[in-house]
Amino acid sequence: GENVEQHPSTLSVQEGDSAVIKCTYSDSASNYFPWYKQELGKRPQLIIDIRSNVGEKKDQRIAVTLNKTAKHFSLHITETQPEDSAVYFCAAMGRGSTLGRLYFGRGTQLTVWP
Amino acid sequence: SQTIHQWPATLVQPVGSPLSLECTVEGTSNPNLYWYRQAAGRGLQLLFYSVGIGQISSEVPQNLSASRPQDRQFILSSKKLLLSDSGFYLCAWSERGASYNSPLHFGNGTRLTVT
Repeated sequence: GENVEQHPSTLSVQEGDSAVIKCTYSDSASNYFPWYKQELGKRPQLIIDIRSNVGEKKDQRIAVTLNKTAKHFSLHITETQPEDSAVYFCAAMGRGSTLGRLYFGRGTQLTVWP
Repeated sequence: SQTIHQWPATLVQPVGSPLSLECTVEGTSNPNLYWYRQAAGRGLQLLFYSVGIGQISSEVPQNLSASRPQDRQFILSSKKLLLSDSGFYLCAWSERGASYNSPLHFGNGTRLTVT
């Protein structure tokens, strides 16, 4: 299936700073890339997604960029707040023989210090 | 609106015992259904994927199985649990669509501890 690599595995920032999480994927035919936030002991929740017909999408303090040529996409969080602390997962939707299956990166533990 | 129910929330089972986790979705028809496992401090591993009743794809070989007896019901089972089966099991659904670019919506998960 699709191979999704995510970096860094841990990220600590000061409140108000920006945080960037990067992911790469292996299947050039993938066309859907969601990001999920998971708080401790809770279910993952969708925070933003991007489809391959756009290069960037923004929702308030969160933005995602996609570079299909490089098979690379990133999550940007600006003006971070302590409540942004959580594990963030990127994902890529499979195509072809893995059509419809969503494959996740290993996650990034983001800690925002007040 | 659509909701997903998953139970039980926590489960402690001895090695060698059977397992049955259930997931149901309300408010939608013909959903894609998924089972994921999350080991402690790890990512989300896709276990099973279903596009319809009786249509199950297994992502990795293991001693788990899945069934979809009804359109909005997805069951994860095992005949004999192993210690390595411990983890956080998440059921999810997505809208069926021709473009296959819809988000997954997760249930609250089942924390399974095999002792």
